[in-house]
Amino acid sequence: AQSVAQPEDQVNVAEGNPLTVKCTYSVSGNPYLFWYVQYPNRGLQFLLKYITGDNLVKGSYGFEAEFNKSQTSFHLKKPSALVSDSALYFCAVRKSGGSYIPTFGRGTSLIVHP
Amino acid sequence: AAGVIQSPRHLIKEKRETATLKCYPIPRHDTVYWYQQGPGQDPQFLISFYEKMQSDKGSIPDRFSAQQFSDYHSELNMSSLELGDSALYFCASSLGRAYSNQPQHFGDGTRLSIL
Repeated sequence: AQSVAQPEDQVNVAEGNPLTVKCTYSVSGNPYLFWYVQYPNRGLQFLLKYITGDNLVKGSYGFEAEFNKSQTSFHLKKPSALVSDSALYFCAVRKSGGSYIPTFGRGTSLIVHP
Repeated sequence: AAGVIQSPRHLIKEKRETATLKCYPIPRHDTVYWYQQGPGQDPQFLISFYEKMQSDKGSIPDRFSAQQFSDYHSELNMSSLELGDSALYFCASSLGRAYSNQPQHFGDGTRLSIL
């Protein structure tokens, strides 16, 4: 079985400050990890993924995520938040060589204050 | 670049009616997924198709059925609609089994409201 935990329902940060949205996962074997962002009344948009290689993955809109195998985490980060980053963020995992259906976390609402 | 197209964007139905949602995947994508997202919820996987055959089945009610056609578009058919079926329904597509590390690309969804 595979699962994802996003421990924070909501993250508040001031514009210009660094942001972190947390994600931990559970999967037997090697994971494929993804971050998606969802704006109101829109579908999920792919931000970045970790498949293999460098633990620090860079994605769209200045976001990056760090894969930590020992802590089974894949936290999403951005050095300087923008008000336009305010949205719902979903972490997802699928097992390498396993089910092709990813498991999503419950989502974290990011609110960036001006 | 072409994205996943879903129609209609909004649909209002009454209880016990039927509804059909359509999804047109990104060209050359061979896998289609259907998800249901309730208010404040994460997307719940319903069903997927790979190369026009049902691939995986999630929490899809027996009242719902889906298929993928020869042009790779997919339709989700919903019957005997209930108030609890009110949700956003997303379709996603990806390059399938040979590229399982590829992300899904989502459409903007169909908002279904049951009165």
